[in-house]
Amino acid sequence: NAGVTQTPKFQVLKTGQSMTLQCAQDMNHEYMSWYRQDPGMGLRLIHYSVGAGITDQGEVPNGYNVSRSTTEDFPLRLLSAAPSQTSVYFCASKTAGDGNTIYFGEGSWLTVV
Amino acid sequence: AQSVTQLGSHVSVSEGALVLLRCNYSSSVPPYLFWYVQYPNQGLQLLLKYTSAATLVKGINGFEAEFKKSETSFHLTKPSAHMSDAAEYFCAVTGGGAQKLVFGQGTRLTINP
Repeated sequence: NAGVTQTPKFQVLKTGQSMTLQCAQDMNHEYMSWYRQDPGMGLRLIHYSVGAGITDQGEVPNGYNVSRSTTEDFPLRLLSAAPSQTSVYFCASKTAGDGNTIYFGEGSWLTVV
Repeated sequence: AQSVTQLGSHVSVSEGALVLLRCNYSSSVPPYLFWYVQYPNQGLQLLLKYTSAATLVKGINGFEAEFKKSETSFHLTKPSAHMSDAAEYFCAVTGGGAQKLVFGQGTRLTINP
């Protein structure tokens, strides 16, 4: 029962570097999303996808790109990392037939120096 | 549009005492409501959810929540706190065909021996 799998769990980047956070789910969920978690701010939606080939912006999309070439994978790309992107990132997925329950990955701790 | 307000960023109770974490929501459509728990350095785990069935919802670890439409509330309770309940708790709302889950800012629960 893998569920939602995120890699890497921890990463340190230098300002200006790019990287990709990987997310995969094996539940055949059509909906996937990325959130970032910052102290005192809860979780904020970065990007989401309602199916392969379809993506849309969430609340805080600037500085991030996503793509959804398959149902299983939803990578998040940081184009040019900035210290403001230091955060914990969560990938999530859901299916309409499960009472809108969202399942989360274990999180990726990113530090930009 | 939907929003969630969690009253109190920090709640401290004694072991064995009642736990009450407050959540008020705003939604223009019938809401789906969730409580998630996050232990240090871990992902989010679903505690319970309301999906328009019974208004009193029972979850894992002895927690329950009551949906009160007239008060737009979904407060989380547990009759007797245990040390292992120390964590951060998030209330969240989504609604109808909406794909986005909107989170509150979180409440950190501390249990005093």
